[in-house]
Amino acid sequence: GAGVSQSPRYKVTKRGQDVTLRCDPISSHATLYWYQQALGQGPEFLTYFNYEAQPDKSGLPSDRFSAERPEGSISTLTIQRTEQRDSAMYRCASSLDSLQETQYFGPGTRLLVL
Amino acid sequence: DAKTTQPTSMDCAEGRAANLPCNHSTISGNEYVYWYRQIHSQGPQYIIHGLKNNETNEMASLIITEDRKSSTLILPHATLRDTAVYYCIAYSGNTPLVFGKGTRLSVIA
Repeated sequence: GAGVSQSPRYKVTKRGQDVTLRCDPISSHATLYWYQQALGQGPEFLTYFNYEAQPDKSGLPSDRFSAERPEGSISTLTIQRTEQRDSAMYRCASSLDSLQETQYFGPGTRLLVL
Repeated sequence: DAKTTQPTSMDCAEGRAANLPCNHSTISGNEYVYWYRQIHSQGPQYIIHGLKNNETNEMASLIITEDRKSSTLILPHATLRDTAVYYCIAYSGNTPLVFGKGTRLSVIA
């Protein structure tokens, strides 16, 4: 595609519910990243994929967070049993490969947990 | 990756050059200096990067000191649309990008 797309753009959920966020990277890009961004802060790394492989998930804040990229293209980020502190902007980015450092970011999904 | 230090905020008059400083005194030899910016609620946007030579592209210039301990991003003729948070990142490509808090640049008419 022309750029990185994410859906939904906004998600409001109740505490304790599970949510799944989707990222569709630039079609030629092997590497996909997930970030969490709190209001007024820079994005913080969560995890990344190189095709289907997930070499680094050190940034995931708890085992309630998981991500998949089963076919090496679209990725999902799932947060189970959401808590109010999970409220944030979740941003996806992609790059040509893991050595190509320029990352292209999507518009983000704003998650609000009530 | 080396930590970077940037001023919290800066103002610049429209049409003037905006010079954004960044300190990275612990940068290692294989780390590049990257600059991204984030306009309002949009996703971060790549601006420029360099290793030790000065770099210029259509968006900005990057001046890196000879000892590589600091650098300056220059927007030659700032416009109102350049108002954003600017992130300076020392990056080797082996670990994730660390954005930090960046510098909030306000371009004033």
